Amino acid sequence: AQSVSQHNHHVILSEAASLELGCNYSYGGTVNLFWYVQYPGQHLQLLLKYFSGDPLVKGIKGFEAEFIKSKFSFNLRKPSVQWSDTAEYFCAVNAPLYNTDKLIFGTGTRLQVFP
Amino acid sequence: DGGITQSPKYLFRKEGQNVTLSCEQNLNHDAMYWYRQDPGQGLRLIYYSQIVNDFQKGDIAEGYSVSREKKESFPLTVTSAQKNPTAFYLCASTDNGGVYTEAFFGQGTRLTVV
Repeated sequence: AQSVSQHNHHVILSEAASLELGCNYSYGGTVNLFWYVQYPGQHLQLLLKYFSGDPLVKGIKGFEAEFIKSKFSFNLRKPSVQWSDTAEYFCAVNAPLYNTDKLIFGTGTRLQVFP
Repeated sequence: DGGITQSPKYLFRKEGQNVTLSCEQNLNHDAMYWYRQDPGQGLRLIYYSQIVNDFQKGDIAEGYSVSREKKESFPLTVTSAQKNPTAFYLCASTDNGGVYTEAFFGQGTRLTVV
């Protein structure tokens, strides 16, 4: 079955450490890719998105993600995390070939950053 | 300010009762969605609507019902048939009836069955 996988369920880092959160999807064809973040007590908000073009996408707050088509991956990265990055991160995929209207989410990764 | 408003923020329901969660948007978006968020399971789609008076089942529609009588409103009813209704419910909307652009989310309603 088509799916979106986030293998890191809980990540704990110290401030200034580098971050990479994995996201893999199993849909063929064209995909639109998103990373959302949910800070404690706040609503989901978009970090970055990829539709086409440069596979390295830059988002807000110093985050970036790289689309690697051959690996069906869209990993999220940040060179140096801050305590304020503590949140839950969701990868999401829209695959027009399969479900034009749907945005399919991964199970999320909880990131805790300690000072 | 434009956005999505969900109410109430917290809701308690007795077993066997139906309860309706409100979702209103003033973004003039065509499409609206309801998701359920459970720990370790991410967001799962319950129902979605691309236009007024039309809606489709998502992946976990059993035990839920919706209506879309107005463009700005998409209420979700959690019926007594829903076996495990305690969860965090999120409403979202997108422009142009699709998800090719950013989806905007409300702040959610936490439903607890007591």
